Amino acid sequence: QKEVEQNSGPLSVPEGAIASLNCTYSDRGSQSFFWYRQYSGKSPELIMSIYSNGDKEDGRFTAQLNKASQYVSLLIRDSQPSDSATYLCAAPWRNQGGKLIFGQGTELSVKP
Amino acid sequence: GAGVSQTPSNKVTEKGKYVELRCDPISGHTALYWYRQSLGQGPEFLIYFQGTGAADDSGLPNDRFFAVRPEGSVSTLKIQRTERGDSAVYLCASSFTRTGTELFFGEGSRLTVL
Repeated sequence: QKEVEQNSGPLSVPEGAIASLNCTYSDRGSQSFFWYRQYSGKSPELIMSIYSNGDKEDGRFTAQLNKASQYVSLLIRDSQPSDSATYLCAAPWRNQGGKLIFGQGTELSVKP
Repeated sequence: GAGVSQTPSNKVTEKGKYVELRCDPISGHTALYWYRQSLGQGPEFLIYFQGTGAADDSGLPNDRFFAVRPEGSVSTLKIQRTERGDSAVYLCASSFTRTGTELFFGEGSRLTVL
């Protein structure tokens, strides 16, 4: 089992819909999780971080963490074509700050 | 500079050649990371520096890969006897502290080994 797993997609949603991206992780000791967005041909950029069980909202983005089930999700409300990108879930290896492990990414396409 | 700078942006080389990829992190960032990303995959960890020393090099695939950061700022990733399987985008990232988990990525160096 990979340390961080995501469905590769592509996930296609119509403009204005809610996009739901999911990620599971294997290390029960993981305490922090991150969502990076990567546009085609560009480098990843951090969009959300979450450390506690429950929801964390930032504008149209909501990150959800369930440590008991070892999954973390990202919801994008009112999806826009500009949200079309690959979304990468990441967690520190063995909860050490240096080595961040990424999932394979989920490609999201928002259709106008 | 304002962001992480990587050179060259593109490198085409022949199998068996030696390659150096350079990374100039954000000023003041003490931690520097190298990742490798293949098409359709997430970034794969290679090595992480805290200051001048390699704090974790467990991701380097074999002894053909080596990285240095002699003055705690600029880093060079060195690949000897390149193989076609080394073709990928090599991403460098930096962060402010050792446990700083917001990584700021450069635009990457695309390596193609013919």
